[in-house]
Amino acid sequence: GENVEQHPSTLSVQEGDSAVIKCTYSDSASNYFPWYKQELGKGPQLIIDIRSNVGEKKDQRIAVTLNKTAKHFSLHITETQPEDSAVYFCAAIHDKIIFGKGTRLHILP
Amino acid sequence: DVKVTQSSRYLVKRTGEKVFLECVQDMDHENMFWYRQDPGLGLRLIYFSYDVKMKEKGDIPEGYSVSREKKERFSLILESASTNQTSMYLCASSTSGSYNEQFFGPGTRLTVL
Repeated sequence: GENVEQHPSTLSVQEGDSAVIKCTYSDSASNYFPWYKQELGKGPQLIIDIRSNVGEKKDQRIAVTLNKTAKHFSLHITETQPEDSAVYFCAAIHDKIIFGKGTRLHILP
Repeated sequence: DVKVTQSSRYLVKRTGEKVFLECVQDMDHENMFWYRQDPGLGLRLIYFSYDVKMKEKGDIPEGYSVSREKKERFSLILESASTNQTSMYLCASSTSGSYNEQFFGPGTRLTVL
């Protein structure tokens, strides 16, 4: 069946450095790719998304890139801050949403 | 501000009990979803609903059922709870269509003893 692979499962970066999380999807018909952030004790919340007719999208310190040929997309966080510590989920959508298994991001002081 | 609320943050039940998890959204969303979240497995879809009295199985429906009698309320039912159903349960809602943001509740951590 359809699958989304997400890497790494855990990521630690120094405050101020950049963080990159990568996802690969199997369903070539997927055409919408959201990213969700889940803080401790809360449900996931959408932080950025990209559609298949776009290669890159940026919103302040976060950006997402999409390579449809290779079927992978990535989340980039620049100038990381303590409040970026959370679990991040990627997802791919065609007729249904499939989530990756999540990345726990630690921002080190 | 969209709000999705879940009836309990923490719940402890015994094996064999019938368990009801309630979810209410206040934004008139057509779609509602139930997921379970387990370490290393991410979010897995149990059931979803596109309309009142309508339900569709997700990826792991076994051992669960759902009810949607009103648009704003979506209930998850564990007919006979088992220890392997100990998990975090997340409810979400969205407007109609597949490509819309899902708004999640805070989750219910269920422990089955």
